[in-house]
Amino acid sequence: EVQLVESGGGLVQPGASLKLSCVASGFTFSDYWMSWVRQTPGKTMEWIGDIKYDGSYTNYAPSLKNRFTISRDNAKSTLYLQMSNVRSEDTATYYCTRDRSTVATWGYWGQGVMVTVSS
Amino acid sequence: DIQMTQSPASLSASLGETVTIECLASEDIYSNLAWYQQKPGKSPQLLIYYANSLNDGVPSRFSGSGSGTQYSLKINSLQSEDVSIYFCQQNYDSPWTFGGGTKLELK
Repeated sequence: EVQLVESGGGLVQPGASLKLSCVASGFTFSDYWMSWVRQTPGKTMEWIGDIKYDGSYTNYAPSLKNRFTISRDNAKSTLYLQMSNVRSEDTATYYCTRDRSTVATWGYWGQGVMVTVSS
Repeated sequence: DIQMTQSPASLSASLGETVTIECLASEDIYSNLAWYQQKPGKSPQLLIYYANSLNDGVPSRFSGSGSGTQYSLKINSLQSEDVSIYFCQQNYDSPWTFGGGTKLELK
């Protein structure tokens, strides 16, 4: 069974940095592109970015690429999202996702981790 | 960026009724469209991919159709467990974008 378990969220002050993790199991992690998607408290969905199965390529939403970095450790079956200079509008639930079989069709989602940016 | 416009934003329907949710893309996305269901307090789940392909385990009362810029999700014989928010999402061109969502409630 595919499982994606995010961690690392919480309350963070504006301008700070935060790193989210997602531990994957139930599949060969190094075979799949992975992505991060977030959902605001108002339920708006926003794609953050993707990373190739070997970590050699990343693709980001233009509005986030200067502050967010996606990486992975295939030996640990773990996906990361490094968030820097966070803003109040980054307050959201962050989901780790895996493609079903085609690019950006997310057949598997983690349970999500909440990030609240507030002073 | 490709804009995805979903309608209606909310919908109230009775058990057993048939409901349809629409999604309009700002340009042709060549059927590269997915539908997701998000039940209250849960993560989104993939229902439909490539506009009309049912994901594994999804009940057959769900169906997708459309082409070009216009797509729809149809739910036949509405069940209580279908109360959810439904999102469309295009995977034709990056940045991948979502519709604003449709909140489906029971009447």
